Amino acid sequence: EPEVTQTPSHQVTQMGQEVILRCVPISNHLYFYWYRQILGQKVEFLVSFYNNEISEKSEIFDDQFSVERPDGSNFTLKIRSTKLEDSAMYFCASSVNPRHGTEAFFGQGTRLTVV
Amino acid sequence: SQQGEEDPQALSIQEGENATMNCSYKTSINNLQWYRQNSGRGLVHLILIRSNEREKHSGRLRVTLDTSKKSSSLLITASRAADTASYFCATAVTPGETSGSRLTFGEGTQLTVNP
Repeated sequence: EPEVTQTPSHQVTQMGQEVILRCVPISNHLYFYWYRQILGQKVEFLVSFYNNEISEKSEIFDDQFSVERPDGSNFTLKIRSTKLEDSAMYFCASSVNPRHGTEAFFGQGTRLTVV
Repeated sequence: SQQGEEDPQALSIQEGENATMNCSYKTSINNLQWYRQNSGRGLVHLILIRSNEREKHSGRLRVTLDTSKKSSSLLITASRAADTASYFCATAVTPGETSGSRLTFGEGTQLTVNP
């Protein structure tokens, strides 16, 4: 069964360093998303991406964050200068066409720890 | 209260019993989705119900949606120890023609099924 894959599963980084979280969405999906979940809190929407551009972003997704689809399969989230409060589980998701009411499939997540 | 609030926050039952979890939300939605999360793991999609549907079944799962009350319920029948997990409702809004569906998650219900 096709699935969304994320790498790495766990990343530890020093405050102020740049990190890139990687995702391979399901191959025939057109919409891609990043969410995050701070330990013990809700899953929060960060950004959605379609047709090689951001279609929507939340207030969390500030200038420190960027997304890219560098090739036909990968979808990345970059945090330029990490802060302690960026420590969270980051989930990538993809969907076929949400306007037709299709579900979003999530990856297993990358646990980011900023020290 | 916030979009996508589940109750109860925690539910502990015996194997074989039914588990009912409720979700309330505030804004208009395109659809509502239920997800499951095992501790520290990814989000697994369970079921999607569209705003024009009232009830949906999938195996041991039954979901209802009442758009007039802005509420949904998830029923798991004949529960098993393996159903132990956190369950989240997520409301989907598609803001524009080319937007993905932004999911707004609730706090979740922690279900424990005792063998």
